Amino acid sequence: DVKVTQSSRYLVKRTGEKVFLECVQDMDHENMFWYRQDPGLGLRLIYFSYDVKMKEKGDIPEGYSVSREKKERFSLILESASTNQTSMYLCASTPPRGSLHFGNGTRLTVT
Amino acid sequence: AQTVTQSQPEMSVQEAETVTLSCTYDTSESDYYLFWYKQPPSRQMILVIRQEAYKQQNATENRFSVNFQKAAKSFSLKISDSQLGDAAMYFCAYRSPLSGTGNQFYFGTGTSLTVIP
Repeated sequence: DVKVTQSSRYLVKRTGEKVFLECVQDMDHENMFWYRQDPGLGLRLIYFSYDVKMKEKGDIPEGYSVSREKKERFSLILESASTNQTSMYLCASTPPRGSLHFGNGTRLTVT
Repeated sequence: AQTVTQSQPEMSVQEAETVTLSCTYDTSESDYYLFWYKQPPSRQMILVIRQEAYKQQNATENRFSVNFQKAAKSFSLKISDSQLGDAAMYFCAYRSPLSGTGNQFYFGTGTSLTVIP
């Protein structure tokens, strides 16, 4: 069965900390995505990657960076966490022309 | 960029009744994919149904079916015989057929469905 695993379900960090959100998929998918989900705003794309070491900015990349050194792993990095980055973060992967497979999400709180 | 609009932030339905969730989108592409995703309170996003734009036949999955109107750029989801487990946030999504840097999904803002016992 398809599986996308996000390393943490809940995370609490302090303002200014560097935060790593990890995502691993076991389906050999080329494409991986990081979304941010906020009430009333739906899912907003932060970054996506269509191949190892390739990354593209989404709609809201400011304050974030990503890393994809291996095909199965896509990491989201908050360089200096701020309170306005408190949110639900969803990772997903997909083959070409397929549907998205989502992880369970990480609820990040920045205090 | 393509836009996806869900005009119903909240909907409710009586158990065993039928409900239709609306979705419209804007695109200049002729080939694309449309999806409905369900996010229950447990928050795992699950695929409900998908539709390829080149297919004229509306997709169905058990109690879930779509009404795909390509010319009108409309993609509504019908849930028949609603069950308590159908209560969730539903998101409509569009996928471009492009690969590489054009490989993106676009989501609506979601419709929260309540099922009344």
